[in-house]
Amino acid sequence: SQKIEQNSEALNIQEGKTATLTCNYTNYSPAYLQWYRQDPGRGPVFLLLIRENEKEKRKERLKVTFDTTLKQSLFHITASQPADSATYLCALFAGGTSYGKLTFGQGTILTVHP
Amino acid sequence: NAGVTQTPKFRILKIGQSMTLQCTQDMNHNYMYWYRQDPGMGLKLIYYSVGAGITDKGEVPNGYNVSRSTTEDFPLRLELAAPSQTSVYFCASNLVDSNQPQHFGDGTRLSIL
Repeated sequence: SQKIEQNSEALNIQEGKTATLTCNYTNYSPAYLQWYRQDPGRGPVFLLLIRENEKEKRKERLKVTFDTTLKQSLFHITASQPADSATYLCALFAGGTSYGKLTFGQGTILTVHP
Repeated sequence: NAGVTQTPKFRILKIGQSMTLQCTQDMNHNYMYWYRQDPGMGLKLIYYSVGAGITDKGEVPNGYNVSRSTTEDFPLRLELAAPSQTSVYFCASNLVDSNQPQHFGDGTRLSIL
């Protein structure tokens, strides 16, 4: 069966360090992958999208990589700040007749300590 | 431009009661979705709609119903509330081009006691 897993439930790092979050999938050939940020009591907010033919995408301090051979995406936040503390969700889109439907990972709670 | 608006924000129901969770978007998005989020479980798709009058089941549709009479509104109905339906419910929408990200409301926190 299709499965998406984010490597850990929680990640704690010091301010200024790079946070690296992992999203692994099996039995999937996603057309693209998205990363979302979710703050407590709020809905997810879109951050980045990377397509199957793209290796890397950047936006300010954020970087996403996509390795279809390893079936893995890495999400990096450089020079992390306490304000980056949130839950981060990866989501896969299978393409074809999926009608925009996304399948989400369970999320990783990132805490950046001052 | 309010985006996706969900009401109510919180609700407590008794077992067997029914209620409707409201969702409205003002972005003229064709696609709309209902998810539930349980602790540590990520978002699970309940129902989705690709346009007014068209709805289909997602991964966990049992115990729920939806309708889509207008582009803007996509209500979710619980007919006979059960404790297993205690969850946080999110509505989302996006443009017909599937590359577009989904825009989420801030959720309805529902407890069934």
